[in-house]
Amino acid sequence: DTAVSQTPKYLVTQMGNDKSIKCEQNLGHDTMYWYKQDSKKFLKIMFSYNNKELIINETVPNRFSPKSPDKAHLNLHINSLELGDSAVYFCASSQEASGGDGQFFGPGTRLTVL
Amino acid sequence: QKEVEQNSGPLSVPEGAIASLNCTYSDRGSQSFFWYRQYSGKSPELIMSIYSNGDKEDGRFTAQLNKASQYVSLLIRDSQPSDSATYLCAVRGGGGFKTIFGAGTRLFVKA
Repeated sequence: DTAVSQTPKYLVTQMGNDKSIKCEQNLGHDTMYWYKQDSKKFLKIMFSYNNKELIINETVPNRFSPKSPDKAHLNLHINSLELGDSAVYFCASSQEASGGDGQFFGPGTRLTVL
Repeated sequence: QKEVEQNSGPLSVPEGAIASLNCTYSDRGSQSFFWYRQYSGKSPELIMSIYSNGDKEDGRFTAQLNKASQYVSLLIRDSQPSDSATYLCAVRGGGGFKTIFGAGTRLFVKA
């Protein structure tokens, strides 16, 4: 069984559209994250939830809205997609809110905005 | 100053050699330090964590931490072509919940 799963794996869409990426973890972890990895491979935190509560909210356009229906799921909705949103988005989870025990990453969603 | 700095490489070593990857960080209160391996087109995979000064060994991997110098390194002994990947250094700061990733060092192991 996949520990951290994301859907879809690939997402190609037009500028201005709204899209969602879903993430689920079956590790029993309390904390989940969204990261963005750009073309230069730099991995940057966007959001983190601990037991459905938002604990990290980095400087991200408010077109990005995370939602955590329960501690095993963290979804990312993006409104009015722009060319600069093209990147790979990774979901991750950890047992501790601090992430001090390391994080487990999903396979990534490659978003291409045309 | 970047919070977590790594040499982007590429670092090229022959098969069987020791690969040495280095990382410096700016937050002196940092508590936890990690190395992740990321193959091309794949997700980062946690390979080592270290929390106190000194060395920590796991198989062919050794992590070294020097908090006074704000320096963490990863040694890979008996490097194999399958070790060719980007290695990401990650540091959890002294306050808050954020883990900061370096930009990664690309390693090539030549057969």
